[in-house]
Amino acid sequence: KNEVEQSPQNLTAQEGEFITINCSYSVGISALHWLQQHPGGGIVSLFMLSSGKKKHGRLIATINIQEKHSSLHITASHPRDSAVYICAYSGGGADGLTFGKGTHLIIQP
Amino acid sequence: DTEVTQTPKHLVMGMTNKKSLKCEQHMGHRAMYWYKQKAKKPPELMFVYSYEKLSINESVPSRFSPECPNSSLLNLHLHALQPEDSALYLCASSQDGLAIGDTQYFGPGTRLTVL
Repeated sequence: KNEVEQSPQNLTAQEGEFITINCSYSVGISALHWLQQHPGGGIVSLFMLSSGKKKHGRLIATINIQEKHSSLHITASHPRDSAVYICAYSGGGADGLTFGKGTHLIIQP
Repeated sequence: DTEVTQTPKHLVMGMTNKKSLKCEQHMGHRAMYWYKQKAKKPPELMFVYSYEKLSINESVPSRFSPECPNSSLLNLHLHALQPEDSALYLCASSQDGLAIGDTQYFGPGTRLTVL
């Protein structure tokens, strides 16, 4: 059983659309991470959340600790946002990340 | 400098070869990680080093041998690998792993093919 569930697995949208990717987890965590992976492999950390909401440019991440749920939103989506978006959690300390299966996002012009 | 570098970018090796993957960061981070990512799967944690000491080994076969010679450098020594070990090997680092959640910075990965 995967402790981190993401939805949707695949998402195709038109340029300019508002995008939402959801993440649910079933264990106690110290922080929830959103990461982006482009073809070729490079992974970039977008957000690390332990509560509330964070915003960076057109990206917004929220977390509800009580409901064990987080969302990543992209406003005014652009083809360059096309990538795999991965939700992951860390348990605390020098703990590695446990990853969800990722959401493959394609933004069409 | 917020970069984690990994060498080589690509590696092809036979099952009897011995090779090493190298990871380097100069951000003063004291926690470093190895992950393995198979095609179309999420990364899986292999090892964690904290202050140059191995703190987590996720039941990885002994044909993978990590080494942290100093706080900036992390190696993964490979010996007698199997074709199913072919994958993207990702290195990451974070501040010190003592805070509640540290941002991890990832290298570009080494794509390993075992023949």
